[in-house]
Amino acid sequence: DAKTTQPPSMDCAEGRAANLPCNHSTISGNEYVYWYRQIHSQGPQYIIHGLKNNETNEMASLIITEDRKSSTLILPHATLRDTAVYYCIVRVVENYGQNFVFGPGTRLSVLP
Amino acid sequence: GAGVSQSPSNKVTEKGKDVELRCDPISGHTALYWYRQRLGQGLEFLIYFQGNSAPDKSGLPSDRFSAERTGESVSTLTIQRTQQEDSAVYLCASSLVSGGTGELFFGEGSRLTVL
Repeated sequence: DAKTTQPPSMDCAEGRAANLPCNHSTISGNEYVYWYRQIHSQGPQYIIHGLKNNETNEMASLIITEDRKSSTLILPHATLRDTAVYYCIVRVVENYGQNFVFGPGTRLSVLP
Repeated sequence: GAGVSQSPSNKVTEKGKDVELRCDPISGHTALYWYRQRLGQGLEFLIYFQGNSAPDKSGLPSDRFSAERTGESVSTLTIQRTQQEDSAVYLCASSLVSGGTGELFFGEGSRLTVL
């Protein structure tokens, strides 16, 4: 089972910031939080990941709470092309390697 | 190629037939994953390879499903005696290392339709 919970859907006005929340209350100390998105009929695309500190790249920012039980993905200026399903994933590290368990994600609709 | 390649991109088959889906990961990626995505739903984990070994087969839905990987490269997912509920997009992903930051790179998927 996925270790994350996300709202099933969100709307955002074009040009505004999109803030997508994720709860991962059972996360372990060495488990990373990853965000991917999937635009209709394409394979999922990596966005960003983090462990403890906030992270920023050219696509988005990731804010992780101090207790690491939740995080927020921020798209600073959403465009229509950002309409997609956004997956928050906890990367589970096993003794044989790693696994990524996807939940149902949040369907973000960016509205003109 | 530079990315993960999957074939066929589309497959239509009759119920009861066997199908093989192929994944060519990014060269040098030691980890390989198969996921299934039914229409309008999220990704369902099927199996994970580290090298040619599959330490985690927990997601395979039945004994009709099997997968192998050779040469730490190409992987084949085989579905025997296909059923209509097997209709889905089958996604393959690879990553460079296990235990590191391990970003997944996905292919575009193989869409399977069982009539």
